[in-house]
Amino acid sequence: DTEVTQTPKHLVMGMTNKKSLKCEQHMGHRAMYWYKQKAKKPPELMFVYSYEKLSINESVPSRFSPECPNSSLLNLHLHALQPEDSALYLCASGPGAYNSPLHFGNGTRLTVT
Amino acid sequence: GENVEQHPSTLSVQEGDSAVIKCTYSDSASNYFPWYKQELGKRPQLIIDIRSNVGEKKDQRIAVTLNKTAKHFSLHITETQPEDSAVYFCAASTSGNQFYFGTGTSLTVIP
Repeated sequence: DTEVTQTPKHLVMGMTNKKSLKCEQHMGHRAMYWYKQKAKKPPELMFVYSYEKLSINESVPSRFSPECPNSSLLNLHLHALQPEDSALYLCASGPGAYNSPLHFGNGTRLTVT
Repeated sequence: GENVEQHPSTLSVQEGDSAVIKCTYSDSASNYFPWYKQELGKRPQLIIDIRSNVGEKKDQRIAVTLNKTAKHFSLHITETQPEDSAVYFCAASTSGNQFYFGTGTSLTVIP
């Protein structure tokens, strides 16, 4: 019943691997987000796409590369990650309008070995 | 940028009692304040929100109050139940695209 779908649910990767996280929403939202969340901490904003254009990059290291192929899809490409990058990666979408909430996906639990 | 503080970080209450979580924000331009509940291993889910032109909003056992002058807002849960146990995050938004989250409150309801 989740309106924002993320795949995969779990991902284990080595520090030399390249992988991608995927997110899809069909609510007609114009803004899509990537958040990183460590255990018992609040979601930490990484990127925001508005109308398919990158509008916010919170000084995220280049080993994380976002992509927004269309208004419904959002990817996060991962390369040469570090063990400290292990976290729950949450995708969210929103209308991008004032006074409107974010809708989160179930997240991808990433472990970097 | 906006700074949102949240207290307490942990809260234990007996089933049936009330729980109150408080947040303060720094940017007077913030105009939208959602509250999210996150159960262990699950996604944050919106439980209630309030806009800056409203002082209070209620939805069954959950209510939120906003004091714009003092720049603080609070979540009130009455008649708590074990299924209310979770981490609760407040947030503040100014532009519609950027949300600033509080540090979270881990609520435990003791049966």
